[in-house]
Amino acid sequence: SQQGEEDPQALSIQEGENATMNCSYKTSINNLQWYRQNSGRGLVHLILIRSNEREKHSGRLRVTLDTSKKSSSLLITASRAADTASYFCATVGSGNTGKLIFGQGTTLQVKP
Amino acid sequence: NAGVTQTPKFQVLKTGQSMTLQCAQDMNHEYMSWYRQDPGMGLRLIHYSVGAGITDQGEVPNGYNVSRSTTEDFPLRLLSAAPSQTSVYFCASSRRAPGDTIYFGEGSWLTVV
Repeated sequence: SQQGEEDPQALSIQEGENATMNCSYKTSINNLQWYRQNSGRGLVHLILIRSNEREKHSGRLRVTLDTSKKSSSLLITASRAADTASYFCATVGSGNTGKLIFGQGTTLQVKP
Repeated sequence: NAGVTQTPKFQVLKTGQSMTLQCAQDMNHEYMSWYRQDPGMGLRLIHYSVGAGITDQGEVPNGYNVSRSTTEDFPLRLLSAAPSQTSVYFCASSRRAPGDTIYFGEGSWLTVV
């Protein structure tokens, strides 16, 4: 079974708006990562947040982590049409750091 | 610097045939892994390796074998292909176990008829 559950499954917004995606997981983690996948392509690493961190920023991306709620969110500010893609969270468990387990992803469409 | 290279990109197999998906990385990464991606299922971990000579099972290992004789290569073998193995396969690597940035290959589209 997959560790991460993402919400919403699909999101459609206008260019310039902010997009927020949420990820919940089941077991304790070492770190949580977010990836982007353009249609028909491989995944691209966006950001990694460790279990002892609460927030990280990278350009227009902001990731938060709440280990008490076993959840994370990815915020993309001032979205662009080029942000249209699927976004996945993935977790590395604290018990077995060899496994990176993915959620089912959120499909984001940014309309120009 | 080629990164993570997967071959072939597309393959059609008949049920019962065997084949090997190749994965190579030129970044001297210790950690390598194989995922399959099905529509609406996200990525599921098949097998992974934390170094040459060491492999372990992921979430969905049945029907697949792996080996890691060198740091650079991590082939995935389908011993007797089944239609349920129709999927897109991704190889990935990172410097160490995945607390580091993971780099993905471009994927291999496999159809089993």
